[in-house]
Amino acid sequence: QIQLVESGGGVVQPGGSLRLSCAASGFTFSDSGIHWVRQAPGKGLEWVTFIQYDGGNKYYADSVKGRFTISRDNSKNTVYLQMNSLRAEDAAIYYCAKGGTSGPVEHWGQGTLVTVSS
Amino acid sequence: DIVMTQSPDSLAVSLGERATINCKSSQTVLYSSNNKNYLAWYQQKPGQPPKLLIYWASTRESGVPDRFSGSGSGTDFTLTISSLQAEDVAFYYCQQYYSFPYNFGQGTKLEIK
Repeated sequence: QIQLVESGGGVVQPGGSLRLSCAASGFTFSDSGIHWVRQAPGKGLEWVTFIQYDGGNKYYADSVKGRFTISRDNSKNTVYLQMNSLRAEDAAIYYCAKGGTSGPVEHWGQGTLVTVSS
Repeated sequence: DIVMTQSPDSLAVSLGERATINCKSSQTVLYSSNNKNYLAWYQQKPGQPPKLLIYWASTRESGVPDRFSGSGSGTDFTLTISSLQAEDVAFYYCQQYYSFPYNFGQGTKLEIK
């Protein structure tokens, strides 16, 4: 079955960096786009970024543009989210999720928690 | 950017009764070339990731009970639960995937009255 497993979350100081990973299995990874969606504690869902199946196109929310970078390694069935210049408002559960460029978010991982605190 | 607005923010419905959640987009999400609405609905229960319920505004995801239905076109959409069950208590979110950023609505909390 389709599985998406996030890792790399933790506690980081404001201004610091963190790299999240999303390991995928159960589907043809190299044919699939991947989203990152985050959810601050007690808040709603915020779409963060998307990478096309081949890494050719990437899209970002304005709130993270210039600070976050999405990438993928299709040989490892893994997507990465490099997060730099972290702010308190970036604290959230980060979900990776499978989806197409013009399609809904179909399957979600369990999420990894990022805490930004001094 | 397309802004998604849901109403109400919270809703309490008796078991067996109908629940209706609305979602409005600031621009059309109907793609004229294929006549499809790029709108999805998700359910999120406490401590769990969201789950896709409805896509193309009205197509039920495999395994989703038929008491869940989606309707609407253009900028106005509705998620209806025809007969509320206890396990339907959750947050519900709409999302447009017509253009990036793929924004979500703010969410609707559904409870039992």
